[in-house]
Amino acid sequence: NAGVMQNPRHLVRRRGQEARLRCSPVKGHSHVYWYRQLPEEGLKFMVYLQKENIIDESGMPKERFSAEFPKEGPSILRIQQVVRGDSAAYFCASSPQTGTTDTQYFGPGTRLTVL
Amino acid sequence: AQSVAQPEDQVNVAEGNPLTVKCTYSVSGNPYLFWYVQYPNRGLQFLLKYITGDNLVKGSYGFEAEFNKSQTSFHLKKPSALVSDSALYFCAVRDLVTGFQKLVFGTGTRLLVSP
Repeated sequence: NAGVMQNPRHLVRRRGQEARLRCSPVKGHSHVYWYRQLPEEGLKFMVYLQKENIIDESGMPKERFSAEFPKEGPSILRIQQVVRGDSAAYFCASSPQTGTTDTQYFGPGTRLTVL
Repeated sequence: AQSVAQPEDQVNVAEGNPLTVKCTYSVSGNPYLFWYVQYPNRGLQFLLKYITGDNLVKGSYGFEAEFNKSQTSFHLKKPSALVSDSALYFCAVRDLVTGFQKLVFGTGTRLLVSP
């Protein structure tokens, strides 16, 4: 029973480049969440998606960041024109439903380093 | 706003001794509380959750947590610590105000278990 998969595990980009982070949820889960963890801090919610829909993007920066969860394939978090402040660990989580009691299961994360 | 606080940045305990990692919460309505553990360069692993019912919740790896409504606390406990329990522990609460989906995390507590 595969858990949440994320790739790449480590990503290095130069300032101004684009970063694409991929997340495959647990099989059968249709709800995906992205969180960001800055060094020595807790996780901060970014966005919540269902298949083909963004449900809550209240934690996403207004510019340069976007997310999608297509009908087929993984969820993608895209960061355009990266800056050094984007360096962080980005975690994806999934759950089978959106009930308040449901557990979110996390992937291993993608560690983005911006040079 | 929903929030959790972890007052200790680090907890040190000797192997074989009981451990407690503290968490207090502030919520509107019923609290849905979670504990996760993060090992170095890994994702978060779910330990346990409180939804309703018994105030003592049992979880993975011998951990348990006690929900105390009068003290608004949800402390994580283990009767006998192992060196392998050394990790970063996060308390989280489900945000029922701005959205059912997101988790709001504490800043984390580093647990160090010495041999």
